[in-house]
Amino acid sequence: NAGVTQTPKFRILKIGQSMTLQCAQDMNHNYMYWYRQDPGMGLKLIYYSVGAGITDKGEVPNGYNVSRSTTEDFPLRLELAAPSQTSVYFCASRLTGGLSNQPQHFGDGTRLSIL
Amino acid sequence: AQKVTQVQTEISVVEKEDVTLDCVYETRDTTYYLFWYKQPPSGELVFLIRRNSFDEQNEISGRYSWNFQKSTSSFNFTITASQVVDSAVYFCALSEAGEYGNKLVFGAGTILRVKS
Repeated sequence: NAGVTQTPKFRILKIGQSMTLQCAQDMNHNYMYWYRQDPGMGLKLIYYSVGAGITDKGEVPNGYNVSRSTTEDFPLRLELAAPSQTSVYFCASRLTGGLSNQPQHFGDGTRLSIL
Repeated sequence: AQKVTQVQTEISVVEKEDVTLDCVYETRDTTYYLFWYKQPPSGELVFLIRRNSFDEQNEISGRYSWNFQKSTSSFNFTITASQVVDSAVYFCALSEAGEYGNKLVFGAGTILRVKS
């Protein structure tokens, strides 16, 4: 059972380049999330999805886009990379339910540097 | 609005000392859930515990224990007889039952350094 898989693990981009961070889960979770973690800070929510075809903005969505065409995959796209987007990106998923007591399961993160 | 404050930014202890990480939260919902996650130096996030707002019973798991007090809106985490392997960043997080998408709000984290 792979859980939540993120690729790549590391990436260096030049300012203005674009890239897609991949996230896949094999737990049949409907809810998926993208966070960024800046040095010395907690995690901030970028986007989330409650199911295939449904996405919503989180706390810090500017500069990012997402799509959710399948239950398993939730890619995060950076269109015009900026130095402020240098961060560690985490994808997470959780079991759907009427209550929010299920923990989110996290991928290992993607460390992204914009130079 | 929901908010999580982790009181200590960084704590340093010597191995075998007990250490408590304090978490204070704000929420207007009567039903909510609290979580602790551990982030070791390798970087992944590891789920440690969840607690719902109706259950104030303290929990112990090996050297770890959690004290939940609704009266003070706190959910504190204690490590007994700390070990070097406990060195990590610990995050407290909150989720409101009525929140669409069951989003988590994280505290800024407490860096725990355990020295041998």
